[in-house]
Amino acid sequence: KNEVEQSPQNLTAQEGEFITINCSYSVGISALHWLQQHPGGGIVSLFMLSSGKKKHGRLIATINIQEKHSSLHITASHPRDSAVYICAVDNTDKLIFGTGTRLQVFP
Amino acid sequence: KAGVTQTPRYLIKTRGQQVTLSCSPISGHRSVSWYQQTPGQGLQFLFEYFSETQRNKGNFPGRFSGRQFSNSRSEMNVSTLELGDSALYLCASSSDRTWTEAFFGQGTRLTVV
Repeated sequence: KNEVEQSPQNLTAQEGEFITINCSYSVGISALHWLQQHPGGGIVSLFMLSSGKKKHGRLIATINIQEKHSSLHITASHPRDSAVYICAVDNTDKLIFGTGTRLQVFP
Repeated sequence: KAGVTQTPRYLIKTRGQQVTLSCSPISGHRSVSWYQQTPGQGLQFLFEYFSETQRNKGNFPGRFSGRQFSNSRSEMNVSTLELGDSALYLCASSSDRTWTEAFFGQGTRLTVV
């Protein structure tokens, strides 16, 4: 079993829909990151969380430390949100990554 | 300020050869870490350097090595290339190891034939 599990693996949405991507982990962490990877490989760090909730524009990330679970929400999704979203946990020594969620938003 | 720069962007090598990839972090950042991304395994941590010292290493064979220079630029080397080493190699820089500001480069896509 992977130490970091993401769901779903693939997600298709219509423009304007509310999107939720989930991440569960089984190791101790000091922080959790949500990353966005566009075709071509470039990765952008969206959020770093150690507790609670963060919001940036249409993106919201939450974490429940007790349940070892985090969610990334996208409100009013747009085709430019199409990318792979990756959850990564900071396991003190290293980052451990989920396998990613491929999101496609159609107009 | 300039972002994280990785060179080259694309590389094709033959089995058995060795390869060196370069990563220039954001100015002022002292931590550089390297990752391998493949379709089958996803992103995996290779190693992390901070102030010229390797602090952490992932579960990769000794063929994978790296170093960091006094200007924080880092190189990773893969010797005796295997077909399975074909991957996107990403580096990320941070001012410290808490990853409060982790910036990734565009990656080097290595193809081993």
